[in-house]
Amino acid sequence: EAGVTQFPSHSVIEKGQTVTLRCDPISGHDNLYWYRRVMGKEIKFLLHFVKESKQDESGMPNNRFLAERTGGTYSTLKVQPAELEDSGVYFCASSFGAGGSYEQYFGPGTRLTVT
Amino acid sequence: AQSVTQLGSHVSVSEGALVLLRCNYSSSVPPYLFWYVQYPNQGLQLLLKYTSAATLVKGINGFEAEFKKSETSFHLTKPSAHMSDAAEYFCAVSYNQGGKLIFGQGTELSVKP
Repeated sequence: EAGVTQFPSHSVIEKGQTVTLRCDPISGHDNLYWYRRVMGKEIKFLLHFVKESKQDESGMPNNRFLAERTGGTYSTLKVQPAELEDSGVYFCASSFGAGGSYEQYFGPGTRLTVT
Repeated sequence: AQSVTQLGSHVSVSEGALVLLRCNYSSSVPPYLFWYVQYPNQGLQLLLKYTSAATLVKGINGFEAEFKKSETSFHLTKPSAHMSDAAEYFCAVSYNQGGKLIFGQGTELSVKP
């Protein structure tokens, strides 16, 4: 069974540009989460989808970040325009949900560098 | 705000020595508790979890953790360190099933030969 995959693995962009990160959860997992780790800091929650609906977006830093999960499968996280402080590793996780395990399975992350 | 504290951003042990990584959480409400490990260039992997069953939880690779409500702690231990245990370890809590994880700062474990 394939795990959580994320694309790209690395992205280097200039301040003011746009970047879109993609996450493919484990097949059949209704829950999808985005987290971010800024260098030297703890991993922080960004948002949580249940299928295609945003269950909790309390961690989204500002309106430059837009997350979507059309059709309840893969998700994208767009940063527009990117700022220097957006640099970090963006992790995606998924879990099965109701009636099954809520254990979150993590992808390898996307390392975003804004210069 | 709810928080998780991991004492020591770096811990170094000798191969064969006891591993003890400390984790304390801030809430008086017992949460769901987790330890994750991240090996270089990989995603986070679940080591073990506490979900209100037995207070001593056994995980993969010989790790275990004990939930102590009175101390609001969930320290991770392994009796004998192996070189392959070198990685970064994260303690995390959640206050509802399926909800967001709140992470500690992470502890990088080094194992000396």
